[in-house]
Amino acid sequence: ETGVTQSPTHLIKTRGQQVTLRCSSQSGHNTVSWYQQALGQGPQFIFQYYREEENGRGNFPPRFSGLQFPNYSSELNVNALELDDSALYLCASSPIDRKAGNTIYFGEGSWLTVV
Amino acid sequence: DAKTTQPTSMDCAEGRAANLPCNHSTISGNEYVYWYRQIHSQGPQYIIHGLKNNETNEMASLIITEDRKSSTLILPHATLRDTAVYYCIVFTGTASKLTFGTGTRLQVTL
Repeated sequence: ETGVTQSPTHLIKTRGQQVTLRCSSQSGHNTVSWYQQALGQGPQFIFQYYREEENGRGNFPPRFSGLQFPNYSSELNVNALELDDSALYLCASSPIDRKAGNTIYFGEGSWLTVV
Repeated sequence: DAKTTQPTSMDCAEGRAANLPCNHSTISGNEYVYWYRQIHSQGPQYIIHGLKNNETNEMASLIITEDRKSSTLILPHATLRDTAVYYCIVFTGTASKLTFGTGTRLQVTL
């Protein structure tokens, strides 16, 4: 049990639609990051949020966007869904002090299927 | 963050020690070695991390060579539930961007 909660666990969307995924970070963790994991591959970093601002982004287009709220929970939004967006989306949180050697904890992920 | 190299797959008999190697020859002085594992369809699970010294916790031991260019994760008594993909990652720990490689698929058999 990592204390990182994601919802929904599974969802199916149609190409062109928009989706919002949610994440509640572990208590005391103010840094949240999102990853995309396609089938058979390792997780790929999408972006990170710290103090409600995007603080680092991977190689993903602008239609991938996010929010972080004052309670440190976060949302990942994907617009204009494409078939290749089908993947497991993972949320990870890390502690408030952000010192070197902190542990990052992952949620169980949200499975998105785009048809 | 430095890149890592791991074997694609390994087998281990149940009850025996599983030794998973990782090369990270370009690791810098402030980068830690982290190990995560991912059981099918679940989120990555933190196992252990270390900077220079060997580390042990209830799940595993981490042995880091003196030059820090390689490390070994040891599961002392592997069980069938340890079957998973194991990822070795090096990073500073001050940010949340973890760079996952392809990992090692460990198969524990009877």
